[in-house]
Amino acid sequence: GQNIDQPTEMTATEGAIVQINCTYQTSGFNGLFWYQQHAGEAPTFLSYNVLDGLEEKGRFSSFLSRSKGYSYLLLKELQMKDSASYLCAVRDDSRGSTLGRLYFGRGTQLTVWP
Amino acid sequence: GAGVSQSPSNKVTEKGKDVELRCDPISGHTALYWYRQSLGQGLEFLIYFQGNSAPDKSGLPSDRFSAERTGGSVSTLTIQRTQQEDSAVYLCASSSGITGAQGDGYTFGSGTRLTVV
Repeated sequence: GQNIDQPTEMTATEGAIVQINCTYQTSGFNGLFWYQQHAGEAPTFLSYNVLDGLEEKGRFSSFLSRSKGYSYLLLKELQMKDSASYLCAVRDDSRGSTLGRLYFGRGTQLTVWP
Repeated sequence: GAGVSQSPSNKVTEKGKDVELRCDPISGHTALYWYRQSLGQGLEFLIYFQGNSAPDKSGLPSDRFSAERTGGSVSTLTIQRTQQEDSAVYLCASSSGITGAQGDGYTFGSGTRLTVV
């Protein structure tokens, strides 16, 4: 199966840096995604990693270590609008899995304080 | 279309009634997924379509739930004899089915908020 684990809640202050961790177990790993979901809205794509290393995109960066089954999302220069739920999702293309299906963690609710 | 469209955006129904939720994916996207999300919970997978066929229905919670997709485009999720525990946001997502620079991730619709009273 796919076990995706991330913290339930995190808090930080405006201007700070926060790191949201995600661990996973899957036999047919083929990519890890991070989505942002504001309250009452649909999830929106943030980042994608399939090879080890860091992918940087503006204030957001995402890191992947396939050997450790570990990823993190790094948010710099936090703003109030970054308060949202952050979903880690893994694509599993192993035999018996639905090709292309993403398996989601329960999400990390980030609150940014002024 | 430019994005994934879902309708209605909100639906309040009486317990025991049937409801239909509609999803119009991005034009050309062959893969379509239905998820539901209860308040404060994660995304619960319901069903996956590749074209008009549904190779994975494993997430449908009971036989009151069914879905179809026609013309490789619009999908309808039907819930018969609704129960209060069916209250949730129902999200639809589509993907191109071709792994690319973004690994063929999902584009989500805005969801249908279903309330069963």
